[in-house]
Amino acid sequence: AQKVTQAQTEISVVEKEDVTLDCVYETRDTTYYLFWYKQPPSGELVFLIRRNSFDEQNEISGRYSWNFQKSTSSFNFTITASQVVDSAVYFCALSEAGIQGAQKLVFGQGTRLTINP
Amino acid sequence: DVKVTQSSRYLVKRTGEKVFLECVQDMDHENMFWYRQDPGLGLRLIYFSYDVKMKEKGDIPEGYSVSREKKERFSLILESASTNQTSMYLCASSPWFSEQPNHNEQFFGPGTRLTVL
Repeated sequence: AQKVTQAQTEISVVEKEDVTLDCVYETRDTTYYLFWYKQPPSGELVFLIRRNSFDEQNEISGRYSWNFQKSTSSFNFTITASQVVDSAVYFCALSEAGIQGAQKLVFGQGTRLTINP
Repeated sequence: DVKVTQSSRYLVKRTGEKVFLECVQDMDHENMFWYRQDPGLGLRLIYFSYDVKMKEKGDIPEGYSVSREKKERFSLILESASTNQTSMYLCASSPWFSEQPNHNEQFFGPGTRLTVL
């Protein structure tokens, strides 16, 4: 069965610090997709990134970067120079083979990130 | 602006009541999903639908049913609400599967916090 583990339940840092959120996954599929979502206090999940299993290139988007390593089954997320607006719950997710073009997602437990001014 | 809307942000019901949670998307997406979110457990898939009148069980379908009579609307039904169904319920929609980068993201609604007394 597929599984996603986010071992860090809560992280608290001071503004401008760099912070890394860990994500470890388990799957027997050779083709799979990994996602990160952000859930701000308003509650609505916001899509951040999708990575497929054949693309191990790291990605950078502004202050956000993602490190995908198949050898350790990890897909970690780093925020550089954190800001108060980054405070949210972050979810890592793994897609499961879907039916008729619908990708089912398996989510990790989430990491609550608090950035203090 | 793309949108997934849910009928209520907060709902309080009594044990044994029949409860309807409604979700509407305006993106003409084929796929729609219902999740529940509980602390420490992340999001868990209840049911999903890949087409009108088509439905598939997710990981925790017991005690729930769904209805999709129109493409834009996906309803979650609690036949006889119980206190262990107190939770945050999130609806999502996504397009048909595609290999395009960053495609297939699921767009989420704001959630309905249901309390069963």
